[in-house]
Amino acid sequence: QVQLQESGPGLVKPSETLSLTCTVSRASISSYYWSWIRQPPGKGLEWIGYMSHNGNTNYNPSLNSRVTISDGMSNNQFSLRLSSMTAADTAVYFCARLGCYDVLTGYPTCFDQWGQGTLVTVSS
Amino acid sequence: QSVLTQPPSVSGAPGQRVTISCTGGSSNVKAEFAVHWYLQRPGTAPKLLIYGNNNRPSGVPDRISASKSGTSASLVITGLQADDEADYYCQAFDSGLSGWVFGGGTKLTV
Repeated sequence: QVQLQESGPGLVKPSETLSLTCTVSRASISSYYWSWIRQPPGKGLEWIGYMSHNGNTNYNPSLNSRVTISDGMSNNQFSLRLSSMTAADTAVYFCARLGCYDVLTGYPTCFDQWGQGTLVTVSS
Repeated sequence: QSVLTQPPSVSGAPGQRVTISCTGGSSNVKAEFAVHWYLQRPGTAPKLLIYGNNNRPSGVPDRISASKSGTSASLVITGLQADDEADYYCQAFDSGLSGWVFGGGTKLTV
């Protein structure tokens, strides 16, 4: 069973940059697509962006100018950076693996494995 | 405002059947891309419940099913149990966004 674990600060000041890392066990970063998703308290899920097995990325247009997803500092890690944080960015941040590959396009279509999530609060 | 529209809440008595709807548009639910469903209990991560419109991962009982027609998808739970109380989310790929979108979530009360 694949395991994902988010790590990073639980508190970020307004205007600062959030950096989170997802550590993956029992699956290779280079074999799948990986994503970040967030959930503000009491609200629904929002896709942030993804990184493919070969390093290609795509981001939610609503966050595009502020977000970067990349390989992590260590093996089998990937990271999220979100700049210019505001109170509206307070949320639980999940990392997830993309699966359910479409037979026609070859692209993944669902999030089949999730980390437990980490709460990030933006406050001075 | 979520791209996919779900009712905020549904309820049913133990043993009954409930349906949760998910309405999208031509760039997501109506397209050739599949709709997936997730279950989320308080304080935990979402868990994949149905994938590829109506396929169940190992461990998901067959009293849970789903379908898609046009720009709408539905999740059906029969024989409701207390353990079914949770939030349910639909999700699809959106070709206009070139990314993935979720419904706003539906809280099921048993």
